[in-house]
Amino acid sequence: DTGVSQNPRHKITKRGQNVTFRCDPISEHNRLYWYRQTLGQGPEFLTYFQNEAQLEKSRLLSDRFSAERPKGSFSTLEIQRTEQGDSAMYLCASSLEADLNEKLFFGSGTQLSVL
Amino acid sequence: DQQVKQNSPSLSVQEGRISILNCDYTNSMFDYFLWYKKYPAEGPTFLISISSIKDKNEDGRFTVFLNKSAKHLSLHIVPSQPGDSAVYFCAASPYTNAGKSTFGDGTTLTVKP
Repeated sequence: DTGVSQNPRHKITKRGQNVTFRCDPISEHNRLYWYRQTLGQGPEFLTYFQNEAQLEKSRLLSDRFSAERPKGSFSTLEIQRTEQGDSAMYLCASSLEADLNEKLFFGSGTQLSVL
Repeated sequence: DQQVKQNSPSLSVQEGRISILNCDYTNSMFDYFLWYKKYPAEGPTFLISISSIKDKNEDGRFTVFLNKSAKHLSLHIVPSQPGDSAVYFCAASPYTNAGKSTFGDGTTLTVKP
């Protein structure tokens, strides 16, 4: 297991289309996070899972966004009816809750461009 | 209202000298702080962290200092190397969920040979 894997690396879509991203975390990690990063800014928290349970969602996550982690392993992030403002890097990260000094292991992200 | 601020967008340092990156925060509920490094086309990678019960944590060439009263932390890199050139993000979180971090906007460090 070499780390957090995200697919696709790049996604170009037209406004109004739906897109879905996938994240495969480090296998023994029970926490999985989604962040969004726009140019010149730091990552912003969107949502996180502990095992298969989605425990928290940011106010940034409109009802067009939905995330799942069906079996507590990989996760998907879907954006419905995309808007140009959704263009950003979507980062997935995982961590081990039991780690006393918890830190995030990030994937390389999915760069979304909405035309 | 930005709760974690990195006021210097960029920093340029000569190889072998010290790099000092600064970060300020406003939320008193933050009690765990992390630094991440990011290369182009990659996700951020963890560098070093510090909890609020400490004022200093050291790991090789990297040292993080925390001044709780001033709500300020800094990352020192000594000696700086060209491979350290990257974007550095400061992050802060409540200790109950260190993964749910609030990030600053980053400082781009350039280390010149």
